[in-house]
Amino acid sequence: QVQLVQSGAEVKKPGSSVKVSCKASGGSFSTYALSWVRQAPGQGLEWMGGIIPILGTAHYAQKFQGRVTITADESTSTAFLELSGLRSEDTAMYYCARTTGWFDPWGQGTLVTVSS
Amino acid sequence: EIVMTQSPATLSVSPGERATLSCRASQSVSSNLAWYQQKPGQAPRLLIYGASTRATGIPARFSGSGSGTEFTLTISSLQSEDFAVYYCQQYNDWPRTFGQGTKVEI
Repeated sequence: QVQLVQSGAEVKKPGSSVKVSCKASGGSFSTYALSWVRQAPGQGLEWMGGIIPILGTAHYAQKFQGRVTITADESTSTAFLELSGLRSEDTAMYYCARTTGWFDPWGQGTLVTVSS
Repeated sequence: EIVMTQSPATLSVSPGERATLSCRASQSVSSNLAWYQQKPGQAPRLLIYGASTRATGIPARFSGSGSGTEFTLTISSLQSEDFAVYYCQQYNDWPRTFGQGTKVEI
């Protein structure tokens, strides 16, 4: 049973960058896609992008192109989301999730707060 | 991108009653449709994939139906733990998109 454990909450200044991690355990890491989904306070779910670790190539939602980088380290079974040029609208809970079309399981989420 | 529209936004029901949630896609997604449940302070949980297949451990009172552009999630007899927000999500095309959610409240 795959479990995904994410890094802790972050508080960042506008214009800075944040890097969130997602460590997988209990199952295959490299051969499944892993996605990042965010949820602004009181809002719905938004897919940001994903990666298949064994291929190393990431795929991003157009909205985030140029600001987001998703990577994976097979040696530690960890995926990363880096978001640059942070603005207040990026304040959200960020989730990683294994992806086979649908998303399952999910990490516990990482709250990123952007505030001056 | 494919726009997913859920209705109603809020559904008020009593425990033991049946709940019917709808999800419409702006273009056909075949049966590439999933449903999730999210409770406050928790990550979403997969309920249904392939429009009608229950995920592991999901009670039989949850059922999904539909194909193409029209989908339904039915909760046959609401339990107290079922009051939550429900999202549909298509995985027929990129980007993956979600509906805006239906809140099921008492």
